[in-house]
Amino acid sequence: SQKIEQNSEALNIQEGKTATLTCNYTNYSPAYLQWYRQDPGRGPVFLLLIRENEKEKRKERLKVTFDTTLKQSLFHITASQPADSATYLCALVTGGGNKLTFGTGTQLKVEL
Amino acid sequence: GAVVSQHPSWVICKSGTSVKIECRSLDFQATTMFWYRQFPKQSLMLMATSNEGSKATYEQGVEKDKFLINHASLTLSTLTVTSAHPEDSSFYICSAGLNTQYFGPGTRLTVL
Repeated sequence: SQKIEQNSEALNIQEGKTATLTCNYTNYSPAYLQWYRQDPGRGPVFLLLIRENEKEKRKERLKVTFDTTLKQSLFHITASQPADSATYLCALVTGGGNKLTFGTGTQLKVEL
Repeated sequence: GAVVSQHPSWVICKSGTSVKIECRSLDFQATTMFWYRQFPKQSLMLMATSNEGSKATYEQGVEKDKFLINHASLTLSTLTVTSAHPEDSSFYICSAGLNTQYFGPGTRLTVL
């Protein structure tokens, strides 16, 4: 069966450290993978998109890697801040068009 | 970036009544919009794809007669929850866009 799993429900780290979130998928062949941030009671906000032929993508303190052999994406936040605390969702484009299927999400908490 | 709005942001209704939720793309046209439902501490589940000028496409297990979708213009899609029951209480979110999806702020529906 098809699955998109994110490493843990919750991740607590100290301010200034690098947070690493994992997204693993099975029985999909996505053309690209996306990461979103969701705050409580709000809709998700797009962060980064990485295509199947790209190994790594960066945007400010964010870095995403995509390994289609391992069927895994890693999402890094460097120099983390309390304001980075949120739920992070990975999503694959599945089927035709631009329909997204979301992973289970990881709730990140950055502590002082 | 592109903006998607939803109205209302929250609604409380009695069991058996119908509720309409609007999703608007404010600064771009969207031939396709997506409707998601999110239960507490769970990820977003795609309900249906709203297609401008044609019938919506529903995901498996979603009752099309219960969740009526109308995409009458390139900037507006509506989701009507008919004969709502307490188990329909959830957070409903719409999105629009091409590769990147822009999400609305969500509508919290509570059915008493």
